[in-house]
Amino acid sequence: QSALTQPRSVSGSPGQSVTISCTGTSSDVGHYNYVSWYQQHPGKAPKLLVYDVSKWPSGVPDRFSGSKSGNTASLTISGLQADDEAEYYCCSFAGTDNFYVFGTGTKVTVL
Amino acid sequence: EAQLLESGGDLVQPGGSLRLSCEASGFSFNSYALTWVRQAPGKGLEWVSFISVSGDDTYYADSVKGRFTISRDKTNNTLYLQMNSLRTGDTAIYFCAKDLGKRYCNSGGCYPLYFDLWGHGTLVTVSS
Repeated sequence: QSALTQPRSVSGSPGQSVTISCTGTSSDVGHYNYVSWYQQHPGKAPKLLVYDVSKWPSGVPDRFSGSKSGNTASLTISGLQADDEAEYYCCSFAGTDNFYVFGTGTKVTVL
Repeated sequence: EAQLLESGGDLVQPGGSLRLSCEASGFSFNSYALTWVRQAPGKGLEWVSFISVSGDDTYYADSVKGRFTISRDKTNNTLYLQMNSLRTGDTAIYFCAKDLGKRYCNSGGCYPLYFDLWGHGTLVTVSS
């Protein structure tokens, strides 16, 4: 099972919006509406930001919004803040043979 | 406060064994599936294994199947990962994580979909 494809980096100024894409296949992202996004600051554990493509766990601000079209999921960060500078990973359920496939990761830089 | 605390990471030679532990506190350990996810130095996340709430069902990534064994002990709220026949490619930070509670169910069973509480990780280095 290959990793989902994400851009290596995206950047934006404070207050702007950035969007991270996550491209999979018809066996994972395209087949299941079970896409999640994780944020990871350097040296820290991943944090669940979005699940079920576009839902938020308790405590996550709605500045982080998810969507999906076909084999590609996206995460949009609105009102970019300094603390949003981190690595972001998408993840898709891939069925009961492979279970979970993560994305390659995207570094978000706040200019 | 809910938390997970991993331990047991170390430097080990190729072919060696290691057992990781993940101690849970602040939540109902017996109500959630648990997983191990690893991250090689400077690389992305890779799912390794998960264990069902009951502990009766375990699943592994192909890269570790037959070499790693996941287990859980309800008496001391601890998750384990026994790693045998270690390879240099197993070098990574190993995170344990708790299931959000959202499941995918089919005729074969129910499987966790997301992980909402993670430990800080423990480093395993496989090198001669």
